Amino acid sequence: GAGVSQSPRYKVTKRGQDVALRCDPISGHVSLYWYRQALGQGPEFLTDFNYEAQQDKSGLPNDRFSAERPEGSISTLTIQRTEQRDSAMYRCASSLTSGRAHEQYFGPGTRLTVT
Amino acid sequence: AQTVTQSQPEMSVQEAETVTLSCTYDTSESDYYLFWYKQPPSRQMILVIRQEAYKQQNATENRFSVNFQKAAKSFSLKISDSQLGDAAMYFCAYRSFSGGSNYKLTFGKGTLLTVNP
Repeated sequence: GAGVSQSPRYKVTKRGQDVALRCDPISGHVSLYWYRQALGQGPEFLTDFNYEAQQDKSGLPNDRFSAERPEGSISTLTIQRTEQRDSAMYRCASSLTSGRAHEQYFGPGTRLTVT
Repeated sequence: AQTVTQSQPEMSVQEAETVTLSCTYDTSESDYYLFWYKQPPSRQMILVIRQEAYKQQNATENRFSVNFQKAAKSFSLKISDSQLGDAAMYFCAYRSFSGGSNYKLTFGKGTLLTVNP
C-alpha cells in the first residue's frame, strides 16, 4: 500500500458501546504507534508496538482502552463502554523500525464521536 | 517527562512574506529529535522538517528552515515566501532517543497559521 490506512474514517457510536479502530501500516514497517488528538490539541501518545509486541502502553487513559497487533501487521485499538470524553481523532503511525532515524508516517485518522 | 510548548495559538502572514513559529521544550536528555508537522484542513499529518539535537547546523527544506538553540531549548520554524497552501495548523514535536524501544512523539498544542492574499 501507498501509506498508512485506517478504518473506519468516521465512527459515531452511542455511549456504552464498544468500538474497534483498525490500522493497516505501511508494508514492512515494524513499528506502529497509536495517538489520540482532541479538537484544538496536538496528538497524544497512547501505545506502540514493535512487530506484535506491545512496547509502551503508559498513554492508554484507563483499562477500557486496549490494543493488539497479533501478527505484527494490522493493529486494532479497542475502546470498551465508550464515554463522551472518548470523542477524538485517533491516529495511527508506522515506521520502518523503531530506530532513531526512521520517520513516523501518519494515517488519515479515525474520527470517533460518542453520543 | 518531556514537554513541548507552543506559545502562539494563532499567527498570520501576508502571502510572499516570512513568518516564524515558536517552540520551546523541556528535557533532561542530550540526544533527541525535533520535528515540525503540518496539519492542513484535511487533517492529514505531514512532516515538514526535522532536526537532530547533536547536529549544530540548522535544518532547511526549501522555504522552511529552523532556528535550533539547544541551550535555550528552543526550536522555531521559519517559513519564507509564504504561500496560500502553507495555511495549516503547525505542530512542534519531540522524540527522545533514550536507547530503549520507546520513540513516541510528544507534541505541542499547535499554532494555526493563516496566510492572507
